Amino acid sequence: DIVMTQSPDSLAVSLGERATINCKSSQSVLYSSNDKNYLAWYQQRPGQPPKLLIYGASTRESGVPDRFSGSGSGTDFTLTISSLQAEDVAVYYCQQYYTTPALTFGGGTKVEIK
Amino acid sequence: EVQLVESGGGLIQPGGSLRLSCAVSGFTVSSNYMSWVRQAPGKGLEWVSVIYRAGSTYYADPVQGRFTISRDDSKNTLYLQMNSLRVEDTAVYYCARWIQSTLEPWGQGTLVTVSS
Repeated sequence: DIVMTQSPDSLAVSLGERATINCKSSQSVLYSSNDKNYLAWYQQRPGQPPKLLIYGASTRESGVPDRFSGSGSGTDFTLTISSLQAEDVAVYYCQQYYTTPALTFGGGTKVEIK
Repeated sequence: EVQLVESGGGLIQPGGSLRLSCAVSGFTVSSNYMSWVRQAPGKGLEWVSVIYRAGSTYYADPVQGRFTISRDDSKNTLYLQMNSLRVEDTAVYYCARWIQSTLEPWGQGTLVTVSS
């Protein structure tokens, strides 16, 4: 199984400042035949189900604000919120789908307002 | 409007059975891959199962042999039959549409509590 490890477990960021979340996979999720990373990011606001933000490591889902960006390749990935808004308070999860249909998620990173 | 509404959760004793339902509107279940994901209280997300358009089914190791995913095309509804339930199966269970191995949208979830 591919293990997904997120860091930090939580972070507090001032409104308008940058938030950076890291995700590391225990093996590469880069599919060599198409050069695509099989990595997605989700946002789960308090009391709500998760919502897909990014797939393919860096492609924003339709309707997701452009302050959210994803980067990385292979085993190391980053989700960046360029200017934190109050509505971004949530837990963020990475998910690999390299071993589809067996999906695995990271442990989550809680983002709060400082 | 796309909507997924789970039901069927509740309190059940260890060893018992429960069937969860996910009523879908806004798209056709039979034309999509559909999945179940669970979240233990205060914990992260755990993929449980998926059913493909053609009917193939796959399960996470912890539930293999105990859970069965199915759908009723006439009711546009997804199901999860859970047998031999264990305390560690306690979680909120979400259904979600599976698109190229990502999940969106998700339902609001239904809580399953396994306890004596």
